[in-house]
Amino acid sequence: NAGVTQTPKFRILKIGQSMTLQCAQDMNHNYMYWYRQDPGMGLKLIYYSVGAGITDKGEVPNGYNVSRSTTEDFPLRLELAAPSQTSVYFCASGKAVTEAFFGQGTRLTVV
Amino acid sequence: DQQVKQNSPSLSVQEGRISILNCDYTNSMFDYFLWYKKYPAEGPTFLISISSIKDKNEDGRFTVFLNKSAKHLSLHIVPSQPGDSAVYFCAASNYGGSQGNLIFGKGTKLSVKP
Repeated sequence: NAGVTQTPKFRILKIGQSMTLQCAQDMNHNYMYWYRQDPGMGLKLIYYSVGAGITDKGEVPNGYNVSRSTTEDFPLRLELAAPSQTSVYFCASGKAVTEAFFGQGTRLTVV
Repeated sequence: DQQVKQNSPSLSVQEGRISILNCDYTNSMFDYFLWYKKYPAEGPTFLISISSIKDKNEDGRFTVFLNKSAKHLSLHIVPSQPGDSAVYFCAASNYGGSQGNLIFGKGTKLSVKP
């Protein structure tokens, strides 16, 4: 029972590089989320999706892009990595906004 | 501006005693609230939730209380156990408005001492 799977678990990027953080869920959830957690801080919502083909900005969307072409996948794209994007990224999914099941996280360092 | 606030960054409690974690919110449109628990190097895991039509929800050792007029909720853990040591996040959503966003507070680190 995989749940929410995030890849990679760790990544080091150079400033200006781009990458995609992958997120897949096998629970047929409509709602999916991307959060970032900076050291000593809470979870800040980057983007969310209420279903395939529908995405919306959260609190801190700048520097990121998402797509939701299928129910299962919700990749997060960083186009021009900056040191301020060093963080732990969590993907989550749920049947409704009343729940969220989280992945294990991706620890990203931009140097 | 923070919509969900957890003003205590940390809390230390003796094993067997009660732990009370607090959360305040500013958005009156929030109508569903959740508590999550997070261990280091893991994703948050769901603990307990409450709808705005209730003022209390209980699940084993965990009880969440909601005071809508004060825009305040609290999580009570009784009795506290060393395994409860983790960071606890409060989250809120506008379920009735079918909004998709789930907003989290900054978390409170609970330490339960044996």
